[in-house]
Amino acid sequence: QSVLTQPPSASGTPGQRVTISCSGSSSNIRSNAVNWYQQVPGTAPKLLIHSNSQRPSGVPDRFSGSKSGTSASLAISGLQSEDEADYYCAAWDDSLNGFWVFGGGTKLTVL
Amino acid sequence: QLQLQESGPGLVKPSETLSLTCTVSGGSMSNSRHYLGWIRQPPGKGLEWIGSFYYSGSTHNNPSLKSRVTMSADTSKKHFSLKLTSVTAADTAVYFCSRGFSDWYDVFDIWGQGTMVSVSS
Repeated sequence: QSVLTQPPSASGTPGQRVTISCSGSSSNIRSNAVNWYQQVPGTAPKLLIHSNSQRPSGVPDRFSGSKSGTSASLAISGLQSEDEADYYCAAWDDSLNGFWVFGGGTKLTVL
Repeated sequence: QLQLQESGPGLVKPSETLSLTCTVSGGSMSNSRHYLGWIRQPPGKGLEWIGSFYYSGSTHNNPSLKSRVTMSADTSKKHFSLKLTSVTAADTAVYFCSRGFSDWYDVFDIWGQGTMVSVSS
């Protein structure tokens, strides 16, 4: 069971806007920044969003992130077929001696 | 640009030690803002942080793995190693190495392709 909670699945049609939630606690999301990764099955994760809402160079502005309290969200607008992938949130957790935690992942299907 | 490549045995017997190497090419990790992280993904499951090796030589492990993890690097910071002792079937996973970047933000920004390790007799 993952420390960060994500819905196991999400879906949308091309052009639609979808959001993926990530729920944590005061020791991780409330205290630290959230990063989002996109993973096409069989490949390595790719950094999509860092510091809650910052897009690395090369990531389309269709992808956006936000955080409020102990939850974060990833939004994808203008959904495209190539967005079909697994999405993971991640944050540093200050409990124990500190460690990185990931969400369980959300499989996004483009209908 | 910087690339990371994991390598090691694809099959390890239960109770033995899993040993992997991450080779850095196309750049260097010799910057105090960079560190090397190991992350794994069991088949069909999510990502789990194993630990990180820092520029100073210090390490930080996932408490869930207790003292089973050892990480090191050569002096050139081109080859990083991971050792996981007393493996069981639960350690079967794709193992990734990733460059960590720590400045005003902290993130794993470049990933290797991953290497599958199965634990079985």
